[in-house]
Amino acid sequence: NAGVTQTPKFQVLKTGQSMTLQCAQDMNHNSMYWYRQDPGMGLRLIYYSASEGTTDKGEVPNGYNVSRLNKREFSLRLESAAPSQTSVYFCASSGRQGTDTQYFGPGTRLTVL
Amino acid sequence: KQEVTQIPAALSVPEGENLVLNCSFTDSAIYNLQWFRQDPGKGLTSLLLIQSSQREQTSGRLNASLDKSSGRSTLYIAASQPGDSATYLCAVEVTGGFKTIFGAGTRLFVKA
Repeated sequence: NAGVTQTPKFQVLKTGQSMTLQCAQDMNHNSMYWYRQDPGMGLRLIYYSASEGTTDKGEVPNGYNVSRLNKREFSLRLESAAPSQTSVYFCASSGRQGTDTQYFGPGTRLTVL
Repeated sequence: KQEVTQIPAALSVPEGENLVLNCSFTDSAIYNLQWFRQDPGKGLTSLLLIQSSQREQTSGRLNASLDKSSGRSTLYIAASQPGDSATYLCAVEVTGGFKTIFGAGTRLFVKA
């Protein structure tokens, strides 16, 4: 049981480049989330997916897109990376929103030059 | 708009001391409150989840309380150990959208 996995672990981009962060969970969870964490701040929700086929904006969705590919996978795409998107990105999943705890992946450290 | 505040931002205690971490939130319309632990360079690990109808949860040396009416939660750590050194974050899952709002965390250092 791997839990929540994320790829890649580290990435350096130049301004304007695009990339997709991958996330997968093997716990048969319905809900999945993408967060970013910046120094001195807590995590901020970018997008979430309550169930397969649905996605909703979080606190800071601008500059990002997401795809809930199937029940296991939830990807985050940066179409045109900006230095302000330098951050650590975490994916999480939970069985049921409002009730169950969230399980987090190890994170992706992204630097945009 | 829901805001979550954690005090203190950092705390250093000698080994064996009992300690309390504080979390406050501005809107009582929540499904639950969670406490997480984060080690440097790692993801978050869930410690305790308190549903909005509950008052407290316990796990080993950890006890978390929730007072929804006053917008406060505390995490009590008994007999602290150097291995407890980490950042502790609280988060509330708000109603009307299931969004989770995090505090900035309390960085704890337990000295041997």
